[in-house]
Amino acid sequence: QLQLQESGPGLVKPSETLSLTCTVSGGSISSSSYYWGWIRQPPGKGLEWIGSIYYSGSTYYNPSLKSRVTISVDTSKNQFSLKLSSVTAADTAVYYCARQGTTVTTPLIDPWGQGTLVTVSS
Amino acid sequence: QSVLTQPPSASGTPGQRVTISCSGSSSNIGSNTVNWYQQLPGTAPKLLIYSNNQRPSGVPDRFSGSKSGTSASLAISGLQSEDEADYYCAAWDDSLNGSVVFGGGTKLTVL
Repeated sequence: QLQLQESGPGLVKPSETLSLTCTVSGGSISSSSYYWGWIRQPPGKGLEWIGSIYYSGSTYYNPSLKSRVTISVDTSKNQFSLKLSSVTAADTAVYYCARQGTTVTTPLIDPWGQGTLVTVSS
Repeated sequence: QSVLTQPPSASGTPGQRVTISCSGSSSNIGSNTVNWYQQLPGTAPKLLIYSNNQRPSGVPDRFSGSKSGTSASLAISGLQSEDEADYYCAAWDDSLNGSVVFGGGTKLTVL
């Protein structure tokens, strides 16, 4: 059974870079033609798609975050990662990693990681 | 505000049928499929409906989805207390080089 687990600092200072890693178990990132994505949810609010990456490395980003986001994949570690630069308090959220499906235009997001809360504060 | 529009709340009594709407535009729902997600309190979202009306294995047939034009709907029949959750619609949006867009979410209360 495919499982995803987010890891990274729970507290980031304003203007710094948020870095998270998603470790995939129960399956290989590179052996299947899936996209892998990041989604976030501010406390008490709705879901926001951040972006996704194909196992070969091609990426799609939310236009509103594109200038600050980098998603990368490390197939040797079966991991993919998120970097969000110049963070502010508005970036405080639960960050989820997930498998997004075989085509980027049909965002079949399943399964999801359990999520990790990242707070931006000095 | 969200690209896809959902009512912020919905409610029903056990056994009732409730529907949740999701309104979009020609660049998202009008030209791409819709997925629905259920988020139980304190948990990660879970895929509930994909490709407008398909249920993943394990999702009860009480849940159904439909799409017409630039709108979609999620219907829950035989409402149960464990259905109390937040529900989100999602679709790909073809504008601005493309992105996944979500609805703002609907909180379903079982009275």
